[in-house]
Amino acid sequence: KQEVTQIPAALSVPEGENLVLNCSFTDSAIYNLQWFRQDPGKGLTSLLLIQSSQREQTSGRLNASLDKSSGRSTLYIAASQPGDSATYLCAVGNSGNTPLVFGKGTRLSVIA
Amino acid sequence: NAGVTQTPKFQVLKTGQSMTLQCAQDMNHNSMYWYRQDPGMGLRLIYYSASEGTTDKGEVPNGYNVSRLNKREFSLRLESAAPSQTSVYFCASSEMWQTTYEQYFGPGTRLTVT
Repeated sequence: KQEVTQIPAALSVPEGENLVLNCSFTDSAIYNLQWFRQDPGKGLTSLLLIQSSQREQTSGRLNASLDKSSGRSTLYIAASQPGDSATYLCAVGNSGNTPLVFGKGTRLSVIA
Repeated sequence: NAGVTQTPKFQVLKTGQSMTLQCAQDMNHNSMYWYRQDPGMGLRLIYYSASEGTTDKGEVPNGYNVSRLNKREFSLRLESAAPSQTSVYFCASSEMWQTTYEQYFGPGTRLTVT
């Protein structure tokens, strides 16, 4: 059974810092991996999707990497801003059109 | 193009009452999903529908039923609500995009059972 772990559970950083959020999964035979952002009381917004054949994806200040063999992904946020404060969720898909398995998230606070 | 919509946004039920959570998507996606989100537990799959006419149980299906009414709509029913079903419920849909599948989520329904 696939299990997804995100460390740390919470993180507080000063504005302007570069930071890394970690995600690990137990079964390396994944199809893809998605990073989501969730603001308090809101739904999930997809940030980046990495296919199993890819090593990384970039969108603006965000960069997500994937190392399937070691069962790990990282989300790198450059030059953090208070508006980046949210919970970040990692989720893996084990095959094409199937449900995602989610980690419990990392709650990020960026202090001005 | 509204994406994935859910109704209602908020609901309070008494123990034993029943209700149906509605979900619709306008992206012509084949697959739809119901998840629940609880503090400290992350999102867990309740039921999903890979295509119109099919449904499958997820990790936490007890106490719920689903109906894939057509390609657009996927409803979740609580027949006899219990306080343990207090949660935030998210509906999602997915389809092939370029060479992979991406899931899109609705805004959620916040349910309290007293």
